[in-house]
Amino acid sequence: KNQVEQSPQSLIILEGKNCTLQCNYTVSPFSNLRWYKQDTGRGPVSLTIMTFSENTKSNGRYTATLDADTKQSSLHITASQLSDSASYICVVSARSFSNDYKLSFGAGTTVTVRA
Amino acid sequence: DAGVIQSPRHEVTEMGQEVTLRCKPISGHDYLFWYRQTMMRGLELLIYFNNNVPIDDSGMPEDRFSAKMPNASFSTLKIQPSEPRDSAVYFCASSLRGSGGIYEQYFGPGTRLTVT
Repeated sequence: KNQVEQSPQSLIILEGKNCTLQCNYTVSPFSNLRWYKQDTGRGPVSLTIMTFSENTKSNGRYTATLDADTKQSSLHITASQLSDSASYICVVSARSFSNDYKLSFGAGTTVTVRA
Repeated sequence: DAGVIQSPRHEVTEMGQEVTLRCKPISGHDYLFWYRQTMMRGLELLIYFNNNVPIDDSGMPEDRFSAKMPNASFSTLKIQPSEPRDSAVYFCASSLRGSGGIYEQYFGPGTRLTVT
């Protein structure tokens, strides 16, 4: 079973509307959580990185939240634009036994913004 | 900086052939990651290096896959022999290590591999 679960798998929204993507994880010991945006045919680009002590972080119209107690994160897109159409991937980092870091990936949520 | 550079961008090969994918990380970055992405399995970490030394190769699917980093500016991922199920997009990413292990990864454009 994947340690990082994202929902929904895909969604369609109208331009200008808001949407929220969810990420639930079971990874431990938790180090940090990051959200990536991946445009079709391109590599992922980091949107936000949050540590245990951070519960919200913004990057323009993207706002990520983290509840480390419930092991849940969300990514909120405000006033969506056509360029927001992409796959959004949640990645959780755990400290490994070798004191380096183990990354666990969600399957991603595909967002389609329509005019 | 030109960012992470990968070559080739597209590779089509026949089953059984050797495939070599190449990556040039961002200058000064001390971490390098190889990923594979498919529709079925999403993004998977194959292996990563720190200061040219492989740290975790637990994601490498089998012995047909090997990765090297002979110096700080070059890495290869080799598949020998290739199989149709290896068809995927392979990404290379590089980063610096920040405090508390937080590191921003910068991805290359990927190599789309098709094995027929």
